[in-house]
Amino acid sequence: ETGVTQSPTHLIKTRGQQVTLRCSSQSGHNTVSWYQQALGQGPQFIFQYYREEENGRGNFPPRFSGLQFPNYSSELNVNALELDDSALYLCASSFGQGYEQFFGPGTRLTVL
Amino acid sequence: GEDVEQSLFLSVREGDSSVINCTYTDSSSTYLYWYKQEPGAGLQLLTYIFSNMDMKQDQRLTVLLNKKDKHLSLRIADTQTGDSAIYFCAESFSSGGGADGLTFGKGTHLIIQP
Repeated sequence: ETGVTQSPTHLIKTRGQQVTLRCSSQSGHNTVSWYQQALGQGPQFIFQYYREEENGRGNFPPRFSGLQFPNYSSELNVNALELDDSALYLCASSFGQGYEQFFGPGTRLTVL
Repeated sequence: GEDVEQSLFLSVREGDSSVINCTYTDSSSTYLYWYKQEPGAGLQLLTYIFSNMDMKQDQRLTVLLNKKDKHLSLRIADTQTGDSAIYFCAESFSSGGGADGLTFGKGTHLIIQP
């Protein structure tokens, strides 16, 4: 059984650019959630995708958007990058809504 | 809103028991979780407890839940150097539309002394 994978591992961007992060969910999981973890903090919920639709969102602006594909993999897109967007971005998949979430290794984004 | 509080550091001697504490605010949480994060890595799900349970034991791990006080604890028996990591407490919440996000504490750094 393959776990949650994320790409790329690391990424460096400059302010104002756009970035796309990718996540492949664990086999059999149809729900993907994205989290932002700033240095020294716990992860913060960005949004969740279920059956290819966003079905819940945390306190993040619209420039954070996402997609989920028919194979349940997902993308996180961030437009107009700001310095404060520098963080570890974690993807988690689950068997469905209300089930335990399993995390990938994360993508470390640095915005200069 | 939801809030999860944890102490930032815990230092224990190898072989002793570690007890990591957490308080949460959302009494409607269905599940409460403990995750482990090693340096440079993602989160590893250690264990979870359903909100109608008081205790759950899983090998060296014991979770205690006091719903009245909204207090959750994780006990690690016979702590080993490999247990050195950051431990996050998390509560589930409903984010409308059926989504179930997690609210995390800031994490407790578990430091093992030889």
